[in-house]
Amino acid sequence: EDQVTQSPEALRLQEGESSSLNCSYTVSGLRGLFWYRQDPGKGPEFLFTLYSAGEEKEKERLKATLTKKESFLHITAPKPEDSATYLCAVQAGRAGGGADGLTFGKGTHLIIQP
Amino acid sequence: SAVISQKPSRDICQRGTSLTIQCQVDSQVTMMFWYRQQPGQSLTLIATANQGSEATYESGFVIDKFPISRPNLTFSTLTVSNMSPEDSSIYLCSGYRAGKTQYFGPGTRLLVL
Repeated sequence: EDQVTQSPEALRLQEGESSSLNCSYTVSGLRGLFWYRQDPGKGPEFLFTLYSAGEEKEKERLKATLTKKESFLHITAPKPEDSATYLCAVQAGRAGGGADGLTFGKGTHLIIQP
Repeated sequence: SAVISQKPSRDICQRGTSLTIQCQVDSQVTMMFWYRQQPGQSLTLIATANQGSEATYESGFVIDKFPISRPNLTFSTLTVSNMSPEDSSIYLCSGYRAGKTQYFGPGTRLLVL
């Protein structure tokens, strides 16, 4: 059974204080690891997909990295508008090229204080 | 990125009734999925919506309770049947295109009284 564990559950930072969110996972045949941002009352907003260990992707103040067992979402000099819940999810591959739906972690609720 | 719309955006229903949620994707996707997000929780996969055939349900979800249709590549419906207050959740659809990623709709917020 695929499993995703995110830590910490909640994180409060001062504006400009960099930190990292962790996502550890177990999956049979990783097809992709996804990071999403979710604001209250909205659907998840896609941030990154990582496909293999060693891969890194960046977008503005966010950088996602992937190893064989975990992924990190690094937030550099965050701003109050970065406050949201960050969700990590894994997707297993299927024979024939299809893909399963995503297995999500419980998320990290991030608050950036001005 | 794909644009995904859902209708209705929210509803309040009486127990014992059923609600059908519609999901429209603006570009062709290979796979569509339905998820549930219970209050304060993360997303849980309900089923894979298969075009022209029966949906594939995850453990704990059954067709009688959550019938799903997908008549073409860009449209799907999820029905929540014989509702109880425990069905109060956000229901989200997503579209996946091979080599791209999985995008989510805005969700349908359901309250069952």
